[in-house]
Amino acid sequence: EAGVTQFPSHSVIEKGQTVTLRCDPISGHDNLYWYRRVMGKEIKFLLHFVKESKQDESGMPNNRFLAERTGGTYSTLKVQPAELEDSGVYFCASSQKTGGTETQYFGPGTRLLVL
Amino acid sequence: QKEVEQDPGPLSVPEGAIVSLNCTYSNSAFQYFMWYRQYSRKGPELLMYTYSSGNKEDGRFTAQVDKSSKYISLFIRDSQPSDSATYLCAMTRAYSGAGSYQLTFGKGTKLSVIP
Repeated sequence: EAGVTQFPSHSVIEKGQTVTLRCDPISGHDNLYWYRRVMGKEIKFLLHFVKESKQDESGMPNNRFLAERTGGTYSTLKVQPAELEDSGVYFCASSQKTGGTETQYFGPGTRLLVL
Repeated sequence: QKEVEQDPGPLSVPEGAIVSLNCTYSNSAFQYFMWYRQYSRKGPELLMYTYSSGNKEDGRFTAQVDKSSKYISLFIRDSQPSDSATYLCAMTRAYSGAGSYQLTFGKGTKLSVIP
């Protein structure tokens, strides 16, 4: 079974540019989470989709970040315009609730550097 | 005060040693406690999870939760060089009905097991 995949693995852009990150969850997983790790800090929650609906976007830093999950399959996270403080590793995780609990499976992350 | 505190290390031990990793937390709503292992340039991989207080053992790994002290531990027996990685504690609220079960992470402890 294929795991969670993310594209691109790395992205280097200049301040003010736009970047779109993509996450393909494990097939059949309704839950999709985005997290971010800024250098020197812990991994922090950004938002959560259940199928195509945003369940919780309380962790989104500001309105420069836009997440979508059209059709309830893959998800994109767009940063527009990018700022220096957006640099970090963006992780996607997917899960399916079974037996009252859920295990979140993480992708390898996208390393974003804003210059 | 951070919700989850974890000493980032680094921690260096000789092969065969017993390793003790731990986290403290402040949010009483946390009911599920996880340990993730993360190799360099990879995403976090779930090692173990524990519900509420108690111990759980899986091979060389033992997870302990003491909710009265808000303290969780991971013990690795007979440590191997392949155990060298960053270990992240994570936790979430009880799974009950709909909603987001976002994980709250510690910073991670970087472990090196020296042959």
